[in-house]
Amino acid sequence: SAVISQKPSRDICQRGTSLTIQCQVDSQVTMMFWYRQQPGQSLTLIATANQGSEATYESGFVIDKFPISRPNLTFSTLTVSNMSPEDSSIYLCSVRAGEPYEQYFGPGTRLTVT
Amino acid sequence: GNSVTQMEGPVTLSEEAFLTINCTYTATGYPSLFWYVQYPGEGLQLLLKATKADDKGSNKGFEATYRKETTSFHLEKGSVQVSDSAVYFCALSLTGGGNKLTFGTGTQLKVEL
Repeated sequence: SAVISQKPSRDICQRGTSLTIQCQVDSQVTMMFWYRQQPGQSLTLIATANQGSEATYESGFVIDKFPISRPNLTFSTLTVSNMSPEDSSIYLCSVRAGEPYEQYFGPGTRLTVT
Repeated sequence: GNSVTQMEGPVTLSEEAFLTINCTYTATGYPSLFWYVQYPGEGLQLLLKATKADDKGSNKGFEATYRKETTSFHLEKGSVQVSDSAVYFCALSLTGGGNKLTFGTGTQLKVEL
């Protein structure tokens, strides 16, 4: 298994600003994932971040809006840029660890854009 | 494409009642199947999984059987408790798909005394 922490746990931001979310894992992992959970909805994958390479974005998500860094095997950041109220969501970091096909999730960052 | 369909909630049960949450999937290939649980105010936790047909995943009294013939992975528990109140997500992941999870919409369960 893996223990994942995220910072901040929640934030309220103004329209047009940017927020960087940090994800820290207690062990080295190859693959990290960023998800978005909009209010009352399921999870949607934003991008996959492998250490040492560019993040791979899912359809509907672009690097200019959601730049991701992955400087080492235990850490990643997701920035939500030029925010609008539609970006209000919970953002979750996830890693693959342990047995094959198992993913573990951080506690999430609850973002409210006003 | 790949998709997961869950029964809509919310589901409200009395304590000790039997629980079934239906989940069916569509996938190009042979997926692994998962149930995740999200307790109020918390992140997702892996509840159980099955990686091939006829496998049964089980944990904390919950179980689900991978049924390839009906493309289903229904979650069951014989006797629910108030502490089981949460949102339950069915998900799939494809071999070679980079471990990307495709989630259902989630089913909220509320257990009352």
